[in-house]
Amino acid sequence: QVQLVQSGAEVKKPGASVKVSCKASGYTFTSYGISWVRQAPGQGLEWMGWISAYNGNTNYAQKLQGRVTMTTDTSTSTAYMELRSLRSDDTAVYYCAREQGVFDAFDIWGQGTMVTVSS
Amino acid sequence: QSALTQPASVSGSPGQSITISCTGTSSDVGSYNLVSWYQQHPGKAPKLMIYEVSKRPSGVSNRFSGSKSGNTASLTISGLQAEDEADYYCCSYAGSSTPSWVFGGGTKLTVL
Repeated sequence: QVQLVQSGAEVKKPGASVKVSCKASGYTFTSYGISWVRQAPGQGLEWMGWISAYNGNTNYAQKLQGRVTMTTDTSTSTAYMELRSLRSDDTAVYYCAREQGVFDAFDIWGQGTMVTVSS
Repeated sequence: QSALTQPASVSGSPGQSITISCTGTSSDVGSYNLVSWYQQHPGKAPKLMIYEVSKRPSGVSNRFSGSKSGNTASLTISGLQAEDEADYYCCSYAGSSTPSWVFGGGTKLTVL
């Protein structure tokens, strides 16, 4: 079945980096875009950025520009999100989500990866 | 890009109907018929309930419907059931030259 499976929970110190993976299966990876969405504890959903699995084009939310990098490995159908210079307010569940059509909704979501930033 | 505006909470009794509003701007909700709605139960990933303003994915109950007027989109749930109790988020495409999306702040639905 179509699914996105993310890597496990991470605990990082302030100033460190984290890289979360999102492995796709059950569909042609390069035919869909992937967005990353995060959710701080008790808070709402925040769109972080998008990557085309077809050509690697990216666009990041303005507030994360310079700290986030999204990449894909088409040989393993895996998307990655790296966030650098971590702060305590980066503590959140990070989701990858498939864009079901051109600029359309997110129809398939990963299970989420908890990233905790604490000294 | 500012978050879309949703009421923090709504409630209704079983069998009743409720509507959740989602107000954006002429740069997002008002410009594109690309509004989607997500249901999220505690500790779970969001689930797509409505896309392209009013379309339902396969498997989503027809008790869920969506609409849009100007810069405001709405989600209506009819015949409320206990399992509808969850957080609901709207989302709109907001990109122009490069793809971007914006979410609403979320609405907690309580089934009384």
